[in-house]
Amino acid sequence: TQLLEQSPQFLSIQEGENLTVYCNSSSVFSSLQWYRQEPGEGPVLLVTVVTGGEVKKLKRLTFQFGDARKDSSLHITAAQPGDTGLYLCAGTNNAGNMLTFGGGTRLMVKP
Amino acid sequence: NAGVTQTPKFQVLKTGQSMTLQCAQDMNHEYMSWYRQDPGMGLRLIHYSVGAGITDQGEVPNGYNVSRSTTEDFPLRLLSAAPSQTSVYFCASGRYTEAFFGQGTRLTVV
Repeated sequence: TQLLEQSPQFLSIQEGENLTVYCNSSSVFSSLQWYRQEPGEGPVLLVTVVTGGEVKKLKRLTFQFGDARKDSSLHITAAQPGDTGLYLCAGTNNAGNMLTFGGGTRLMVKP
Repeated sequence: NAGVTQTPKFQVLKTGQSMTLQCAQDMNHEYMSWYRQDPGMGLRLIHYSVGAGITDQGEVPNGYNVSRSTTEDFPLRLLSAAPSQTSVYFCASGRYTEAFFGQGTRLTVV
């Protein structure tokens, strides 16, 4: 079983601060995804990274895939209360038939 | 757009009862999957299907059965509910690199 560890588990910050969430594994993934989940809802895909070293930007969110395709990070610039939620990373195995999720980072941004 | 529809949204079962969680998608995706989400453990894959007539086990398949008779539907059956199966269940469809999730079924087994 491929494992993904996310850190930190919980993060509470003030509006306007920057933050980084990490997703690490000892396994190589063919691709890695980041999802955001709000209470009572299913996860919603934010981004997919495929190539080692790839960087993708989505407004104030920057996603990076490690060179060895074992880890990833999510950086949020100038966090806003609307960013509050559970952030999940997920990796696709090399066979392409299974998605493994990390434990999640619960983010709270206070106004 | 309906996307992925799960029913019911909430369910309480007694230990030993059986039930089926329904999942339907209208996006013509070949790949569908079931996850359970428990506090602090992210989502764990129960079963998945790469197309009609084909199913396979995920990380935590014990106590659950699935079938895939059509592209649209992927029901999850609990054979004999146990308190350890209390969880939130999510169905997803899509490509391996882009999963679309339903709103979840919150199941409590007493």
